[in-house]
Amino acid sequence: DAGVIQSPRHEVTEMGQEVTLRCKPISGHNSLFWYRQTMMRGLELLIYFNNNVPIDDSGMPEDRFSAKMPNASFSTLKIQPSEPRDSAVYFCASSSRNYGYTFGSGTRLTVV
Amino acid sequence: AQTVTQSQPEMSVQEAETVTLSCTYDTSENNYYLFWYKQPPSRQMILVIRQEAYKQQNATENRFSVNFQKAAKSFSLKISDSQLGDTAMYFCAFISGNQFYFGTGTSLTVIP
Repeated sequence: DAGVIQSPRHEVTEMGQEVTLRCKPISGHNSLFWYRQTMMRGLELLIYFNNNVPIDDSGMPEDRFSAKMPNASFSTLKIQPSEPRDSAVYFCASSSRNYGYTFGSGTRLTVV
Repeated sequence: AQTVTQSQPEMSVQEAETVTLSCTYDTSENNYYLFWYKQPPSRQMILVIRQEAYKQQNATENRFSVNFQKAAKSFSLKISDSQLGDTAMYFCAFISGNQFYFGTGTSLTVIP
């Protein structure tokens, strides 16, 4: 199993541009989570899906952020328009019922 | 509300020595799971150890073991024979249903 796959690994973009982060969860895992990690706030849960359905998006900071999970093997997190304060490491994780998360390697986003 | 508290922002230990990282949590749930994750400089989040709340026996994974005190809501991680590769941020986490709660992390440095 290749684990949770995130792309890109690094993203540098200019303020105002649209950014799309991608995640492929582990096959068979029914829950998917998007986290943001910064020095100031630590790990923040942005949104999570259960069986492809968004369950809790209360952590999404603003309307500029949106996430989709069109099928069990793919999810995206989009920021439009991006701002410098969105710079962070974004993690995707998947889980299969109480066993624990498996994290992807993260996407380091820098907005200049 | 569920919370996870790690009261030691930074710790250090001499190579080959033993170190204990503390974690307390607050919950009204009776069935839950606790985890320790390691995040080395590579930023990958790695599951270190997992404990089911209904099990009284403390979990052990090689040099890593926990001291789970359910009544006290305490879940400390002991690292024996510390190695340089153990240098990392360590996060305590709690799962209830499909949502994870993370502590703020303890930065551990193993000194040669």
